[in-house]
Amino acid sequence: AQSVSQHNHHVILSEAASLELGCNYSYGGTVNLFWYVQYPGQHLQLLLKYFSGDPLVKGIKGFEAEFIKSKFSFNLRKPSVQWSDTAEYFCAVTPIGGGADGLTFGKGTHLIIQP
Amino acid sequence: KAGVTQTPRYLIKTRGQQVTLSCSPISGHRSVSWYQQTPGQGLQFLFEYFSETQRNKGNFPGRFSGRQFSNSRSEMNVSTLELGDSALYLCASSDDRSGNTIYFGEGSWLTVV
Repeated sequence: AQSVSQHNHHVILSEAASLELGCNYSYGGTVNLFWYVQYPGQHLQLLLKYFSGDPLVKGIKGFEAEFIKSKFSFNLRKPSVQWSDTAEYFCAVTPIGGGADGLTFGKGTHLIIQP
Repeated sequence: KAGVTQTPRYLIKTRGQQVTLSCSPISGHRSVSWYQQTPGQGLQFLFEYFSETQRNKGNFPGRFSGRQFSNSRSEMNVSTLELGDSALYLCASSDDRSGNTIYFGEGSWLTVV
């Protein structure tokens, strides 16, 4: 079965700072990778996804992520964060074509942006 | 196109009772999956249904069950509720094609007292 590790459980940044949230996964085969965001009081929303092709993927709201296969990593980045980016961020993985364990999520990173 | 709709949004139940949660997937989506979200365990996969058949199941006790109807709508049931079942239950749907994306509903907040 696959597993996902998010390195930072809580991150506090000031507005305009750069952001990088770490995500590593464990799985012996090929995977689809996702970053979801959960704003306070709202449902999970897809930020971006990687299925194949260019390992640098761009998502909504200026976020991007880079898939590094050799490191089993899929780190999320944003060059300049805003107060509205305050949210919980989840990295998730599923084997290509789906898997018996559905989407496997990391524990999440609680990001707080200070004005 | 409407998103994934879950009902009820909030409910309070007593230990020992049972509960049924409902999910309407995005129109055209035939795959529906359920997840439990708690502060301690995070997001955990419960089960997935496709064309009225359970396709995958997570590591939860048999008190947790589900079903899917011919219109792809799904329900999940938890019997003999325990305090630890208090959680946000999320339903997600996808069109199950290669490279599919999973879309989540707003969830049903269950509190067991």
